[in-house]
Amino acid sequence: GDSVTQTEGPVTVSESESLIINCTYSATSIAYPNLFWYVRYPGEGLQLLLKVITAGQKGSSRGFEATYNKETTSFHLQKASVQESDSAVYYCALGDRGTGYQNFYFGKGTSLTVIP
Amino acid sequence: EAAVTQSPRNKVTVTGGNVTLSCRQTNSHNYMYWYRQDTGHGLRLIHYSYGAGNLQIGDVPDGYKATRTTQEDFFLLLELASPSQTSLYFCASSVDRDTEVFFGKGTRLTVV
Repeated sequence: GDSVTQTEGPVTVSESESLIINCTYSATSIAYPNLFWYVRYPGEGLQLLLKVITAGQKGSSRGFEATYNKETTSFHLQKASVQESDSAVYYCALGDRGTGYQNFYFGKGTSLTVIP
Repeated sequence: EAAVTQSPRNKVTVTGGNVTLSCRQTNSHNYMYWYRQDTGHGLRLIHYSYGAGNLQIGDVPDGYKATRTTQEDFFLLLELASPSQTSLYFCASSVDRDTEVFFGKGTRLTVV
């Protein structure tokens, strides 16, 4: 089936350290898989962090990066140096561009706490 | 930035009670969605709509009704609430089915 698996949280990192949140996906019935990272800051709704629609491409935003790897079916989120303001819950998601993004498959979310 | 407003933000109701969650977007978006999120699960789609008067069934529709009264307003109805419907509910909207989806801040519903 179609699904997303991401790093189980919570994750705690010290400020200025590097971060990687793993995300792997299964898109057995999706013809045009697109990959997303959403972030939810405390008290806020989910916000799109970055999106990649083509395999082999990299998306970046706010210092975060993720590469759509079709061979390893992965879309890991990385940041070289985290800040306290990055504390949030991060969701990896798989969308089907062909039938529409109402068919999102979300990971369970990874709660990140950055210690100053 | 597109805005999606949910109300109430928190709600407590009793088993068997009647609950309506409201969502309004003023972005002129065609698509609107209702999701639920439970501990240990990602967001799961309950219902969605692509215009006023339209309703489509999502992945977890049992126990929920929804109605899109206008382009702006999408309601989620729980007519006989059960404890299993205790969850965090998100409303979202998008211009079209393959464009960026914008989420509200969520409604935390507790059924006791």
